[in-house]
Amino acid sequence: DQQVKQNSPSLSVQEGRISILNCDYTNSMFDYFLWYKKYPAEGPTFLISISSIKDKNEDGRFTVFLNKSAKHLSLHIVPSQPGDSAVYFCAAYSGAGSYQLTFGKGTKLSVIP
Amino acid sequence: EAQVTQNPRYLITVTGKKLTVTCSQNMNHEYMSWYRQDPGLGLRQIYYSMNVEVTDKGDVPEGYKVSRKEKRNFPLILESPSPNQTSLYFCASSSPGISYEQYFGPGTRLTVT
Repeated sequence: DQQVKQNSPSLSVQEGRISILNCDYTNSMFDYFLWYKKYPAEGPTFLISISSIKDKNEDGRFTVFLNKSAKHLSLHIVPSQPGDSAVYFCAAYSGAGSYQLTFGKGTKLSVIP
Repeated sequence: EAQVTQNPRYLITVTGKKLTVTCSQNMNHEYMSWYRQDPGLGLRQIYYSMNVEVTDKGDVPEGYKVSRKEKRNFPLILESPSPNQTSLYFCASSSPGISYEQYFGPGTRLTVT
């Protein structure tokens, strides 16, 4: 039972264009969401997060949108740069004292120069 | 520098030979966790610890043990490794009272033959 789903295993985008990575979840108890970025041979690094009380959070070139009714979130990267090429993981907490983080399977983003 | 360290980074072993992967963090985090990453499956939690002497199973605990005798250390023990435990392992830590963000170590690539 996959509670956090990233249905696109890979995505290719031209440098300078927008990258949109999608994530769907099934557990309505999830109340905090994070995006992690992972380069080969390194551990995941935190990118951006959003609480369920918000529908948008922005940090520089990165924006995360949350649609609670659709149980969907997306990460927008504008403009995309070659250094953004990595695997992106969506993750969620269910709150209520639980600190167990549930991850999606990841989307490999390739930004083409 | 705030960091999570893991040792060894790479390990090749044989079936049944007990091994320990160490994890240490220097951020005084209460929460520590172990994940494994497998192709097409994303990151799955093995065990986690809310504090010293408090540990609990994650989603895939079979074949693993952990201990948390000191706040900074959280070793992962494979008493009798099997080939299906060949994977990339990550340790992570966080301070849930301050931030939901988990900090990850660089990973340990384990091969069991």
